[in-house]
Amino acid sequence: DQQVKQNSPSLSVQEGRISILNCDYTNSMFDYFLWYKKYPAEGPTFLISISSIKDKNEDGRFTVFLNKSAKHLSLHIVPSQPGDSAVYFCAASDYSGYSTLTFGKGTMLLVSP
Amino acid sequence: NAGVTQTPKFQVLKTGQSMTLQCAQDMNHNSMYWYRQDPGMGLRLIYYSASEGTTDKGEVPNGYNVSRLNKREFSLRLESAAPSQTSVYFCASSEAPRGEQFFGPGTRLTVL
Repeated sequence: DQQVKQNSPSLSVQEGRISILNCDYTNSMFDYFLWYKKYPAEGPTFLISISSIKDKNEDGRFTVFLNKSAKHLSLHIVPSQPGDSAVYFCAASDYSGYSTLTFGKGTMLLVSP
Repeated sequence: NAGVTQTPKFQVLKTGQSMTLQCAQDMNHNSMYWYRQDPGMGLRLIYYSASEGTTDKGEVPNGYNVSRLNKREFSLRLESAAPSQTSVYFCASSEAPRGEQFFGPGTRLTVL
């Protein structure tokens, strides 16, 4: 049973426009969410996170929105740049004893000039 | 400050051979993890070590063993490799039990 779902395998956006990547979760115990970015032949790198006590967190061009009632979060990239082309993973954790991260399957973002 | 390092970068094995993937971190992190990434499957946790001296199974532990050698090093062993273990393996570490994990560059393993 997939607890973190990224239903769009890929997304294409033009440079300068907004990219919106979506993530849904089913486990109501999740209370901390992260986004990772991965380039080919490299390990994932941390991008931005949000705690369930917030509904928005912003870092430069990246903003994550959390809708707890819908169990949905989204990552907005504005403006999108070609260097943003990568696979984006959504991850979640809950605080029930020791908690590991549960990852979604990823969304490949392609930003074209 | 190298972060998380993994060796080797690439490896080809024949079915039934054994090998150990090495991972080391220089960030003084308590927790370390091994993941595998397969096309369309995302990152799946194989084993983790919450702290030095402890290890626990993740989502897909079958066919693997791990050793937390010390606080810096966490190795993953395949005793008898199978083609289903063809994958990219990532090691990661974190300071806190949850939250931001730092990943190594990965090991691409092919089992023939």
